[in-house]
Amino acid sequence: SQELEQSPQSLIVQEGKNLTINCTSSKTLYGLYWYKQKYGEGLIFLMMLQKGGEEKSHEKITAKLDEKKQQSSLHITASQPSHAGIYLCGASSGSARQLTFGSGTQLTVLP
Amino acid sequence: DTAVSQTPKYLVTQMGNDKSIKCEQNLGHDTMYWYKQDSKKFLKIMFSYNNKELIINETVPNRFSPKSPDKAHLNLHINSLELGDSAVYFCASKPPNTGELFFGEGSRLTVL
Repeated sequence: SQELEQSPQSLIVQEGKNLTINCTSSKTLYGLYWYKQKYGEGLIFLMMLQKGGEEKSHEKITAKLDEKKQQSSLHITASQPSHAGIYLCGASSGSARQLTFGSGTQLTVLP
Repeated sequence: DTAVSQTPKYLVTQMGNDKSIKCEQNLGHDTMYWYKQDSKKFLKIMFSYNNKELIINETVPNRFSPKSPDKAHLNLHINSLELGDSAVYFCASKPPNTGELFFGEGSRLTVL
């Protein structure tokens, strides 16, 4: 089964700083999904990457998938307290029938 | 209108009791899931249904029984609750040909 490892497990940054969260897979990724979870809420879809070398941005968040399709990074520029939460990467199986999630990265942004 | 809704949002109960969590989606998706998120925030799939049929059944104690009366609903019944069942349970649905999941807000179960 596919295993996803996220690093770091937790991250505390000062508002305005940039940060990166990594997600590494034990197998080639067919689809890599980034989600954000705020405390007490469900997961909100951020971005999906499929092609090797693909990069997507939304507001101040950029996600990349490496050429070998085994590693993805999520980069936040000029972080704000609203970015705080748990970031989870998820990988789909070849049939896209289910998502397997990484262990999550807890982000705290200090004002 | 909430796309994927779960009830109850919070559930506190004693060991040994039986409880149910309900999930409904109004997105017209054929596939629905139950995930469990433990205290370390690790999200693990439990079950998946496609058009009322069970397609994924991960290693979950048989005290957990999912039921899908129609493709818009997937309920989770838990018998003889144990302390280790305390977690947040998330329902999700998925359109075809994509891995993107739409999650409910979660149901926090506390077993005392």
